[in-house]
Amino acid sequence: SQELEQSPQSLIVQEGKNLTINCTSSKTLYGLYWYKQKYGEGLIFLMMLQKGGEEKSHEKITAKLDEKKQQSSLHITASQPSHAGTYLCGPGAAGNKLTFGGGTRVLVKP
Amino acid sequence: DTEVTQTPKHLVMGMTNKKSLKCEQHMGHRAMYWYKQKAKKPPELMFVYSYEKLSINESVPSRFSPECPNSSLLNLHLHALQPEDSALYLCASSLSPGTGDYGYTFGSGTRLTVV
Repeated sequence: SQELEQSPQSLIVQEGKNLTINCTSSKTLYGLYWYKQKYGEGLIFLMMLQKGGEEKSHEKITAKLDEKKQQSSLHITASQPSHAGTYLCGPGAAGNKLTFGGGTRVLVKP
Repeated sequence: DTEVTQTPKHLVMGMTNKKSLKCEQHMGHRAMYWYKQKAKKPPELMFVYSYEKLSINESVPSRFSPECPNSSLLNLHLHALQPEDSALYLCASSLSPGTGDYGYTFGSGTRLTVV
C-alpha cells in the first residue's frame, strides 16, 4: 500500500511568517490531495494536484507536486490565525481508498 | 447543496447499546465512505460504498455494520462497542467512485464516546 509521510509533524509560526509542509510518498505519486482539519471537525478540501510539476494556489496557500521526488509541498504565505489546524495529504488515483499522511499540526502565534 | 451532513454530532453510548450514525448528501455523489479518527491521528478508512454497494471493508470488526439504503444516505450501525471505539467518525462522498476527481467532501463528524 502507498504510505505518505508528512514533515514536520507540527510547527509553530509567528503570524505573518511563511511556512512549508512536505508530503513524501513511498511510491509513485499520480496525484495528491491536500486537506485541512480544525480540531474535532471535518476535513476541508484545499486542492488536488494531478500532474507532475503542477502548482495550484488558493488565496495564500500554494501547493506543488514533484513526481520525480514523489513529493508535494504546501506553502502558506504571510500566515494568519485562520491558517491554524492540521494539514493532511492523501494520494490521488488511489481508487476508492483515500488514505492520509500523518498530518502536520500548525499553530499560528499572534 | 454542497454538504455532507452527519447526525448526531455527539453520541454517548453504553457497551450494550445499539445506535446508528447517519450521513446524507444531495450532490449526486456515487461513492460514500466511513472513516474513524482517533485523537491526534489521521482518519482511517473503514468502509467504501460505490453505487450503493459495499466495495471496501478495511477489516472492520463486525460490531460496526454499514448500510447504504439509497444513493444519498449512508448509515453506520453500532452494537456492543468497546471503550476503545470512542473516536470521531467521519463520512465522506465523492462524485466518482474511481478517483474522486473533484475531491472528497467530508462531513463534520460524529464524536462517539463509549462508556
